[in-house]
This record gives sequence, C-alpha cells and structure tokens, in this order.
Amino acid sequence: KNQVEQSPQSLIILEGKNCTLQCNYTVSPFSNLRWYKQDTGRGPVSLTIMTFSENTKSNGRYTATLDADTKQSSLHITASQLSDSASYICVVSDSGTYKYIFGTGTRLKVLA
Amino acid sequence: KAGVTQTPRYLIKTRGQQVTLSCSPISGHRSVSWYQQTPGQGLQFLFEYFSETQRNKGNFPGRFSGRQFSNSRSEMNVSTLELGDSALYLCASSLGQYQETQYFGPGTRLLVL
Repeated sequence: KNQVEQSPQSLIILEGKNCTLQCNYTVSPFSNLRWYKQDTGRGPVSLTIMTFSENTKSNGRYTATLDADTKQSSLHITASQLSDSASYICVVSDSGTYKYIFGTGTRLKVLA
Repeated sequence: KAGVTQTPRYLIKTRGQQVTLSCSPISGHRSVSWYQQTPGQGLQFLFEYFSETQRNKGNFPGRFSGRQFSNSRSEMNVSTLELGDSALYLCASSLGQYQETQYFGPGTRLLVL
C-alpha cells in the first residue's frame, strides 16, 4: 500500500536553531516528492519539488534532500524564525496513477 | 497576479443537504485539483480537472463530484452530506504538467450539523 510517513509529529525549537523533518514513503513507482508549508487556517504553500534524479533542492532557508533508494526525504530548516511555525507536509506522487499521497505532517513551533 | 480564490470561505449545512464549492484558478492555469483536509485523515486528494476533463480521481464516494468550465473555474459538489464531510476543502491550480508547482487557495471550511 502506498504510504507517506512523517516524523516527528510535532516539534518545538527555539528561534535561531536548526531542525530537520523526516519523510519516509513506500510509494511506487515514484514520480516526485513535494514539501509544503501550511500556516494555521491557510492553504499549503509549496517549498520544493524533487524528481527521482534530484537529491537536494533549496528554497531560502529550507533545504530538502531525497534518497530515492531508501525512499527517504528530509526538510532542513536553517536559523529558524517565528514565522516558520506551521505544519510541514510531505507529498509523494505515484507515477503510475499520478495520484498524490500525503503525509500527516509535522507541526513545528518556534519559540522566541 | 491574483491567487487562487475559493468561495464561500465558510459554510454550515445539515445532514442530507448538498453543497457546491467554487474555485477560481490563477489566470492561465488549466489544471485544478481538489483536496479534503480533516484533523484525523490529513490532506486527501479528491480529483483533478484539466481542460474541462477529469484527469485523475481519488478514493472518495460518488457523492463527491466536480466539473471544470471553459474558463478553468471549477466547482465541487457534495450530495447527501454526512457529518464526516465536515472538513476544509482546498483547491489548487497549476499550469497543467504533473511536475509543476501547485498553488493552493485559502480553502472552504464546511461544517455539517
């Protein structure tokens, strides 16, 4: 069964610190993997999209990595800011059906 | 460029009723996807429309349906509402290719009583 699992479920860090969020998937065949940031009460905003051949992609202070062999991805946030407080969702697309399978997200709280 | 807009933003219905939600994509975008988000299940894919045709469909019952108009605007309909349909319904638009960025609207929050 195609699944996307994220860890941790929630995370609290101090402003200025770095953190790494994990995403493991069993989706096959794989098309692409996306990371989204969702602020409370708002729609998700795309951070990165990676295909099979890409293993790192950055968007400002956000860096995503992908290991297609082990089916793992991570999202690293550098020098966290209060505005990084949000849910981060990993989404994997199945290249057979082109359906999107969502992880349940990691809720990040950045404290001053 | 204006973002994705969804109307209405909030809606309260009772069981058994039906509801229609609307989504206007970013100008020039031809693909519109719909998602349901609940605290228990997270985000789930409902369906995707491209050039007025349903291109992909998630695992939802037939009570959930949609359509897309020639101007790319899309509507989603849920008939015979159930309590479990209470959720945030999000739509996202993109130019149309599968690897592209999707831009989400703010969502419609539906409460079924």
